[in-house]
Amino acid sequence: GENVEQHPSTLSVQEGDSAVIKCTYSDSASNYFPWYKQELGKRPQLIIDIRSNVGEKKDQRIAVTLNKTAKHFSLHITETQPEDSAVYFCAASRETSYDKVIFGPGTSLSVIP
Amino acid sequence: DAGITQSPRHKVTETGTPVTLRCHQTENHRYMYWYRQDPGHGLRLIHYSYGVKDTDKGEVSDGYSVSRSKTEDFLLTLESATSSQTSVYFCAISDRGYYGYTFGSGTRLTVV
Repeated sequence: GENVEQHPSTLSVQEGDSAVIKCTYSDSASNYFPWYKQELGKRPQLIIDIRSNVGEKKDQRIAVTLNKTAKHFSLHITETQPEDSAVYFCAASRETSYDKVIFGPGTSLSVIP
Repeated sequence: DAGITQSPRHKVTETGTPVTLRCHQTENHRYMYWYRQDPGHGLRLIHYSYGVKDTDKGEVSDGYSVSRSKTEDFLLTLESATSSQTSVYFCAISDRGYYGYTFGSGTRLTVV
């Protein structure tokens, strides 16, 4: 079945540095790739997503890139801040109503002040 | 709060007992999902629903059943709880089926 891998599992960066989280997916028909952020003890929340018809999308300090040929996509956070500390989940899905979103195992990001 | 509530928030139960978790939404979204979250595994889909009385299995459905008799309620039942079902359970809703999941606050279930 569909599988999403995510690396690294843990990541520590100094405040102000950049953080990159990488994911790969197995289903070549996947065309929707959301990212969720889960702060400690809270629910996951959608922070950004990308569709297969674009290669990059930015929202302030967050950007996602997609390489459909290699079945890779990545989350880039610039100028990290302590409030960026959280677990980040990548996910993949086909863009049809009945399809399910498959999540990666998560990356625990710590931003050190 | 976000139009979705889960109950109970915490539960401790004994091995072999049935347990039902409830997800209630006020958004009138068609799609509802149950995930479990375990360290190193992320969020794994248990069951989902695409309408009243329309449900299907996810990747880890063994030992679980669901029911959806009303748009707003999606129940997850552990028929005979086992220690391997100790986990945090999240419900999610969506109006499009793949886009923009809204998650509930989660239920922490401990099976002893």
